[in-house]
Amino acid sequence: KNQVEQSPQSLIILEGKNCTLQCNYTVSPFSNLRWYKQDTGRGPVSLTIMTFSENTKSNGRYTATLDADTKQSSLHITASQLSDSASYICVVIPNTGGFKTIFGAGTRLFVKA
Amino acid sequence: DSGVTQTPKHLITATGQRVTLRCSPRSGDLSVYWYQQSLDQGLQFLIQYYNGEERAKGNILERFSAQQFPDLHSELNLSSLELGDSALYFCASSVATHDSTDTQYFGPGTRLTVL
Repeated sequence: KNQVEQSPQSLIILEGKNCTLQCNYTVSPFSNLRWYKQDTGRGPVSLTIMTFSENTKSNGRYTATLDADTKQSSLHITASQLSDSASYICVVIPNTGGFKTIFGAGTRLFVKA
Repeated sequence: DSGVTQTPKHLITATGQRVTLRCSPRSGDLSVYWYQQSLDQGLQFLIQYYNGEERAKGNILERFSAQQFPDLHSELNLSSLELGDSALYFCASSVATHDSTDTQYFGPGTRLTVL
């Protein structure tokens, strides 16, 4: 069964610190892997999109990496800000008929002053 | 503001009823996607339309249906509603199809409460 699993489930860090969120997937082959940020009660916002052949993609203080051999992706947040408090969701879009997008359960990040 | 609009913002209805959720994509976007987000199941992909035609289908129940009109706005119809259908329903749009690397822009969502 195609799955996307994220860890940790939640994370508390101090403002200004860095953190790394993990995403393990079994979906293969896939078209692309995405990271989204979602504030409570609002629509997700796209952070990065990586194809199978890409290893890293940056968007400001957010850097996503992809290791296709180990089927792992990570999202690194640098110099965290209070506004980074949100859920971060890993999404994999399979490269098979139907393109049934598969979402991870998300990591809830709390940034404290 | 993503440029994607959804109406209504909130909807409260009773079991067994039928509702219609509406989505207007960003100007120039041809693809519309519908997603459901509930507390126990997280985000789930329901269905995608591209330029008026169904392109991909996810975990959409038979009681649910959608369509995309010539002006590219889309409607999601939910019928014979059950308590478990209570959720946030998001619409997203992108220029092309999601097997490309186009960014999907999400609307603010419609919160459906079934009593």
